Amino acid sequence: GAGVSQSPSNKVTEKGKDVELRCDPISGHTALYWYRQSLGQGLEFLIYFQGNSAPDKSGLPSDRFSAERTGESVSTLTIQRTQQEDSAVYLCASSRDRELEKLFFGSGTQLSVL
Amino acid sequence: AQSVTQLGSHVSVSEGALVLLRCNYSSSVPPYLFWYVQYPNQGLQLLLKYTSAATLVKGINGFEAEFKKSETSFHLTKPSAHMSDAAEYFCAVSGHGGFKTIFGAGTRLFVKA
Repeated sequence: GAGVSQSPSNKVTEKGKDVELRCDPISGHTALYWYRQSLGQGLEFLIYFQGNSAPDKSGLPSDRFSAERTGESVSTLTIQRTQQEDSAVYLCASSRDRELEKLFFGSGTQLSVL
Repeated sequence: AQSVTQLGSHVSVSEGALVLLRCNYSSSVPPYLFWYVQYPNQGLQLLLKYTSAATLVKGINGFEAEFKKSETSFHLTKPSAHMSDAAEYFCAVSGHGGFKTIFGAGTRLFVKA
């Protein structure tokens, strides 16, 4: 596609429910990244994928968070048993092999846990 | 390990005045450095990047930044602010290869008429 697409754009859920956030990277981009942006704070690195592999999962806040990527394309970030502190904007970015350092960001998913 | 510190969560300037947003970094390897901008209700977009070539980097919309190794700084400047520059600006650092880019907390720029 023309840009990084994230869905849903907004998600309201109840505490304790599971949520799935989706990211469609730019076609041909091999690297994919998830960040979390909380109110008044910067971007917190969560995880990145090179192809379908995730060499660095160190940023995932807890074992309630998981992510996968299939077909070197779509990625899903899953949060189980959501907590109020999970409320944030979840941003996805992708980059291409020849210029891995240049990230293209999606518009994010605003997650609100009530 | 790498980290970024942005001095000032909010900066306010008058239209036509100099814009200076401060960024200091820490990196155990030669860094790649970036400035990203986030306009209201939009995603982040790359403003400029330093990848070990010229130390003075020019970006879009008249912004530029200078890499100063001795000061571990990468401050963003623009000679004359425009109302449309009002946004949040993020400084970021990564090692060669670009993986795991670390972002600062952001500086929100306000431009007064």
